[in-house]
Amino acid sequence: KNEVEQSPQNLTAQEGEFITINCSYSVGISALHWLQQHPGGGIVSLFMLSSGKKKHGRLIATINIQEKHSSLHITASHPRDSAVYICAVNSGGSNYKLTFGKGTLLTVNP
Amino acid sequence: DADVTQTPRNRITKTGKRIMLECSQTKGHDRMYWYRQDPGLGLRLIYYSFDVKDINKGEISDGYSVSRQAQAKFSLSLESAIPNQTALYFCATSWAGTGELFFGEGSRLTVL
Repeated sequence: KNEVEQSPQNLTAQEGEFITINCSYSVGISALHWLQQHPGGGIVSLFMLSSGKKKHGRLIATINIQEKHSSLHITASHPRDSAVYICAVNSGGSNYKLTFGKGTLLTVNP
Repeated sequence: DADVTQTPRNRITKTGKRIMLECSQTKGHDRMYWYRQDPGLGLRLIYYSFDVKDINKGEISDGYSVSRQAQAKFSLSLESAIPNQTALYFCATSWAGTGELFFGEGSRLTVL
């Protein structure tokens, strides 16, 4: 069974700080997703990656397949970045079932 | 309008009642999913469908059933709701080509 561990579980930052959220998994994967969930809101897909690094605005996601580890970075954090960030992995196969981490609650204070 | 729409957004019901949560999408995706989210737990897959004639159980399908009425519509039913089915339910879609997921806004269900 593929386990997905995120750290930290909770993170509080001041506006402008550089944020890193980590995700580790236990078996080989074909893809990893980073999702964002605002309080009371729906879930938005931020990134899907299988190697290297992707960037979108102030968000950067990296993955190290050999070390079974991914990081989500937020540069120049802003209060509107406050949300739960969820890592999910696809262990491969044709059925595309995902295993989800429990999420990291990020609070960015002004 | 949202690409993935769930109805109802909130529902309070009593034990033993039949409940249906509906999901419709305008993205033209072939794959649709129902997930359940509970506090302190990750999202868990209830059912998934890769096309209208393909329905598969997820990791927690007991007590639930689904119907894929059309490529754009995927409904989740609780035949006889029980309190431990109180949760936030999400519908999601994806296209086989990219695998990127698109989620609905969620349906909060409370079973008393």
